[in-house]
Amino acid sequence: GQQVMQIPQYQHVQEGEDFTTYCNSSTTLSNIQWYKQRPGGHPVFLIQLVKSGEVKKQKRLTFQFGEAKKNSSLHITATQTTDVGTYFCAGSPGGSYIPTFGRGTSLIVHP
Amino acid sequence: DGGITQSPKYLFRKEGQNVTLSCEQNLNHDAMYWYRQDPGQGLRLIYYSQIVNDFQKGDIAEGYSVSREKKESFPLTVTSAQKNPTAFYLCASSESSNQPQHFGDGTRLSIL
Repeated sequence: GQQVMQIPQYQHVQEGEDFTTYCNSSTTLSNIQWYKQRPGGHPVFLIQLVKSGEVKKQKRLTFQFGEAKKNSSLHITATQTTDVGTYFCAGSPGGSYIPTFGRGTSLIVHP
Repeated sequence: DGGITQSPKYLFRKEGQNVTLSCEQNLNHDAMYWYRQDPGQGLRLIYYSQIVNDFQKGDIAEGYSVSREKKESFPLTVTSAQKNPTAFYLCASSESSNQPQHFGDGTRLSIL
């Protein structure tokens, strides 16, 4: 079945440093979604990418979808303590297939 | 205010008992999902339903059961057959199968 790998599992950064998490699928995706889960909270949808090579920005967050639609990345510029949490990607091959979640990357920001 | 509601927030179960976790949504979404999350772990899919009166097993369905008799409701029963039920349970819904999911606040289940 479809597998979605996400790395790294954990990332410690000093406040102000950049952060990137990577998501790789074993199959070509129709779309990829990114979610953020704050400690003690529930996942919250951030963005969905659907086009090959697509790049979208939300303030300090930059999301990319690979040309082959099998990988994606989330980059945060100049991290802040409010960025702390676990970031999940979820990829779907389309049609009636539901998204498969990666295991998430937990971001720890040290002030 | 549209959303997805899970209850209760905390639940305690004695060994050998079945318990049912509630999940209700008023977003008019067709698809609903149940996930289990253990400390420091990702989301593991228990069951999902793409339409009323239909549901499918996820990756870890053993020891769980669901029903989808109404579009708004997707209750999860944790049976006594589930050997290690202590976890954080998340319910989600989406317009259709591959669309973004909206999550409830979750239910934390503990064994007494």
